[in-house]
Amino acid sequence: DGGITQSPKYLFRKEGQNVTLSCEQNLNHDAMYWYRQDPGQGLRLIYYSQIVNDFQKGDIAEGYSVSREKKESFPLTVTSAQKNPTAFYLCASGRGPGELFFGEGSRLTVL
Amino acid sequence: GENVEQHPSTLSVQEGDSAVIKCTYSDSASNYFPWYKQELGKGPQLIIDIRSNVGEKKDQRIAVTLNKTAKHFSLHITETQPEDSAVYFCAAIQSSNYKLTFGKGTLLTVNP
Repeated sequence: DGGITQSPKYLFRKEGQNVTLSCEQNLNHDAMYWYRQDPGQGLRLIYYSQIVNDFQKGDIAEGYSVSREKKESFPLTVTSAQKNPTAFYLCASGRGPGELFFGEGSRLTVL
Repeated sequence: GENVEQHPSTLSVQEGDSAVIKCTYSDSASNYFPWYKQELGKGPQLIIDIRSNVGEKKDQRIAVTLNKTAKHFSLHITETQPEDSAVYFCAAIQSSNYKLTFGKGTLLTVNP
């Protein structure tokens, strides 16, 4: 079945550690996105990529990094520079501007 | 940039009643307005959308209306059922860019 796969679903990290969240899609979409969701805050855009080997910062990119070496993959690294990394992270791909298909999310908890 | 305001933040209705969620946007250049439904612990799913050249769109029990002059759009759910209980997000985007701006969400609870 086509879709977006995020892993891991749950992740625990000690302070000072970098972690990488995986996002893979087999929908043949050019655009991919990472959003962060906090209670009462809605979805905030971290990074997005419209095409392979190119990506742009979203509204809250500080402390995060991404790569887009393959069309199917858009991993997100949460670095130790991110001051408040505990959150629910959502990856999406899009067949056009705005028509997003989301994965099931990854919940990161910093201990 | 675009700013999307969504109201109410929580909404509780009885099964069979209608529910209405309202959003306003700031950028008159925005021309695509999707609505997403998010069930607990899952990713959001697109349920309906509307483009700026259309005033209303309906899909079974769900409808969306758009008032471009006033820069607001609304989601209407009729004959609500317990499985409609979820968080609903509105969003807005210009078709010339790829940055979708979301409202903060509405938690809809349908009581049996």
